[in-house]
Amino acid sequence: NAGVTQTPKFQVLKTGQSMTLQCAQDMNHNSMYWYRQDPGMGLRLIYYSASEGTTDKGEVPNGYNVSRLNKREFSLRLESAAPSQTSVYFCASSATRSGTQYFGPGTRLTVL
Amino acid sequence: ELKVEQNPLFLSMQEGKNYTIYCNYSTTSDRLYWYRQDPGKSLESLFVLLSNGAVKQEGRLMASLDTKARLSTLHITAAVHDLSATYFCAVDVGGGADGLTFGKGTHLIIQP
Repeated sequence: NAGVTQTPKFQVLKTGQSMTLQCAQDMNHNSMYWYRQDPGMGLRLIYYSASEGTTDKGEVPNGYNVSRLNKREFSLRLESAAPSQTSVYFCASSATRSGTQYFGPGTRLTVL
Repeated sequence: ELKVEQNPLFLSMQEGKNYTIYCNYSTTSDRLYWYRQDPGKSLESLFVLLSNGAVKQEGRLMASLDTKARLSTLHITAAVHDLSATYFCAVDVGGGADGLTFGKGTHLIIQP
């Protein structure tokens, strides 16, 4: 099993450009999450999806949209990137809503 | 608003010594997680503590949970260099929402 995979690993954008971060899991988990990690800030929850077809906002959802395409895939979209969105983005999944979360390798995004 | 505080945020110690990392959280929760992150890598689950008084041990690491005091500890026994990493504690967001609230992490350096 690959676990949680994310693409791309690195990305550089200019202010105002858009992009989609992809996440997939092969563990048949119901819940999926997107976090961002900034230096000295720990991880902060952007959006989550408790099951296929549902999504909810987390702590820092502004400037992002998500899509739970199917049970395996959960994408994060930046419609108009801003320098404040420079961060490392982690996708995670868990079998249940309160289960241990397993994290992907991360996407390092720089917005110039 | 749930707050999770770790201390210390930075710790440099010598091999062979013992030390404890503390994690305090601000609202009631019966579930606490400890993760490890190596530089430039993803997060690895270490422990899930599910109830008051829970204690779990893996090698030189031992974690405990006191839900009444809203405190978890991660104790390192006879530290070795390979335990150098950043350690995060995290608590369920709660209040009907999913996801985790993380502490800012403890950056641990173990010197020979």
